[in-house]
Amino acid sequence: GQQLNQSPQSMFIQEGEDVSMNCTSSSIFNTWLWYKQDPGEGPVLLIALYKAGELTSNGRLTAQFGITRKDSFLNISASIPSDVGIYFCAGRYGGATNKLIFGTGTLLAVQP
Amino acid sequence: EAGVVQSPRYKIIEKKQPVAFWCNPISGHNTLYWYLQNLGQGPELLIRYENEEAVDDSQLPKDRFSAERLKGVDSTLKIQPAELGDSAVYLCASSPGFTGELFFGEGSRLTVL
Repeated sequence: GQQLNQSPQSMFIQEGEDVSMNCTSSSIFNTWLWYKQDPGEGPVLLIALYKAGELTSNGRLTAQFGITRKDSFLNISASIPSDVGIYFCAGRYGGATNKLIFGTGTLLAVQP
Repeated sequence: EAGVVQSPRYKIIEKKQPVAFWCNPISGHNTLYWYLQNLGQGPELLIRYENEEAVDDSQLPKDRFSAERLKGVDSTLKIQPAELGDSAVYLCASSPGFTGELFFGEGSRLTVL
């Protein structure tokens, strides 16, 4: 099935470093969302973005809805070991299509 | 408030056997989803329900997969017969409407031998 392109595929960083990841699509979305999945668990919503250009923060996490509506970015500042996991973006089409498409995921590993 | 509950957490079966997964969504959530997640990939939608109605089942392989949501609450996903390629995690999610803000269960991990 269709999946959005996320990059990087994986990141291995030191505790305290900042992290950036992004998600791109050939389609325009009405909503962009970012989820985190821990091993053996289901994804958990981190941030939802509803407007092109919107910048939203949730603690150390900041996400942006790209102006073209075809991309989104997630930044994590001052990473900590519990940030480890897989981060998925998701885009929602509006209107009659009304589908939610997930990205391929970015695996984040944080070394203490 | 209880989250989305799925069972079983793990299931190992031989190919050609049937298998069923059960999901209890968050109380009051009228939208329920079944997703398939293969190793190293993001979730892919199998079916979405609005109350009792399946509003999007375009990605459900209907030759072997079936789902139902009786009374608009609990849902069951069935595979019959299972194939080796069905080994994956089956995630159930619910939401109060369709905004994209989904609440996921822990998933049911299926291994087909």
